[in-house]
Amino acid sequence: AQSVTQLDSQVPVFEEAPVELRCNYSSSVSVYLFWYVQYPNQGLQLLLKYLSGSTLVKGINGFEAEFNKSQTSFHLRKPSVHISDTAEYFCAVGLTGGTSYGKLTFGQGTILTVHP
Amino acid sequence: EAGVAQSPRYKIIEKRQSVAFWCNPISGHATLYWYQQILGQGPKLLIQFQNNGVVDDSQLPKDRFSAERLKGVDSTLKIQPAKLEDSAVYLCASRITAGANVLTFGAGSRLTVL
Repeated sequence: AQSVTQLDSQVPVFEEAPVELRCNYSSSVSVYLFWYVQYPNQGLQLLLKYLSGSTLVKGINGFEAEFNKSQTSFHLRKPSVHISDTAEYFCAVGLTGGTSYGKLTFGQGTILTVHP
Repeated sequence: EAGVAQSPRYKIIEKRQSVAFWCNPISGHATLYWYQQILGQGPKLLIQFQNNGVVDDSQLPKDRFSAERLKGVDSTLKIQPAKLEDSAVYLCASRITAGANVLTFGAGSRLTVL
């Protein structure tokens, strides 16, 4: 079975400061990794994904994440945040084969609050 | 391209009543999922459909939850009878079966059970 741990439930930060949201995962098989963002009263929107290849993945809205297989981590970073980045962020893992495609296991979420 | 449509967006019911949620996936997406998101938690998969067949319903509480996708397009998730702990947002997602492993989520249906 797979599990995902998001190490911070809430992250407050000032506008234009850098931010890192931490995600560790556990799996006995190869997985795909995702970060989703959820704005209030909305569904989940994909920020970025790691399927294979380069371990540094760039996503939308200036976010990037680095896959570290040895540390089983997939931390999300942004060098300078905006007020509009205030939202809840979810890290997720997905299995890589057959009918398991798309069956995601999510972390508990990290609420990012950007203060002016 | 139209997104994943869900209705109703909000529903309040008394415990032991029944409720149904509807989802229309993106056109051409053969695979459809229902996730349950309880407040303060990440979404949890309830059921996965491939066209009109169930692929995985191992996490679906079958004593009270049921879901169907009769024509392989839209889907209905039903809860009968509802319990207080069923209060959650029910998210529908879809994906193209071949290739990309990326889900597109709907806005969700928020259920409050009193």
